[in-house]
Amino acid sequence: EAGVTQSPTHLIKTRGQQVTLRCSPISGHTSVYWYQQALGLGLQFLLWYDEGEERNRGNFPPRFSGRQFPNYSSELNVNALELEDSALYLCASSRTEGRAGYTFGSGTRLTVV
Amino acid sequence: GDSVTQMEGPVTLSEEAFLTINCTYTATGYPSLFWYVQYPGEGLQLLLKATKADDKGSNKGFEATYRKETTSFHLEKGSVQVSDSAVYFCALSEPGANSKLTFGKGITLSVRP
Repeated sequence: EAGVTQSPTHLIKTRGQQVTLRCSPISGHTSVYWYQQALGLGLQFLLWYDEGEERNRGNFPPRFSGRQFPNYSSELNVNALELEDSALYLCASSRTEGRAGYTFGSGTRLTVV
Repeated sequence: GDSVTQMEGPVTLSEEAFLTINCTYTATGYPSLFWYVQYPGEGLQLLLKATKADDKGSNKGFEATYRKETTSFHLEKGSVQVSDSAVYFCALSEPGANSKLTFGKGITLSVRP
């Protein structure tokens, strides 16, 4: 089966710009999770979407937002980019509530200059 | 809230040495426990999991047992290989409305020939 796919793999943006990252879950998975992996900060939970609704949100400012589409794919939007937003953004998918496990994509490497 | 504590790293071992990476957790309910591995330049891969007390997860020679009495999920391998060099993350997930993975800080393992 196809894994979790993320696009783009890399991008460079200028401070103040906006960016959209995309994630396609594994077929049959209804939940999508977004994580930020910044250097030295470990993996920080950003957002959880399930069945098109935002279910949970991490401790990030409102300029981090997203949505989930009817086909369960998801977008993460970041407005007014700051230098500290430079990180690897990982998407994971699972069946609802994820107790059986989460499958991660390879991530999008965002560099803000 | 939920938290995961991993031993401090990095860890450097010689090939065929025994590996133990400690992980303890704090959770309000009955979480599922996971070990994820991240190879250089890649996303996270699920290494093994356990969903209830006394369960033992195993994969690729790695093992971890869900110990509720000590709230631990230590990762072990009897004989490490150079190819095991990676970052290892312990994580937990609680079911329900708070469903998300909470990660430890990760530990870097380097195995020398």
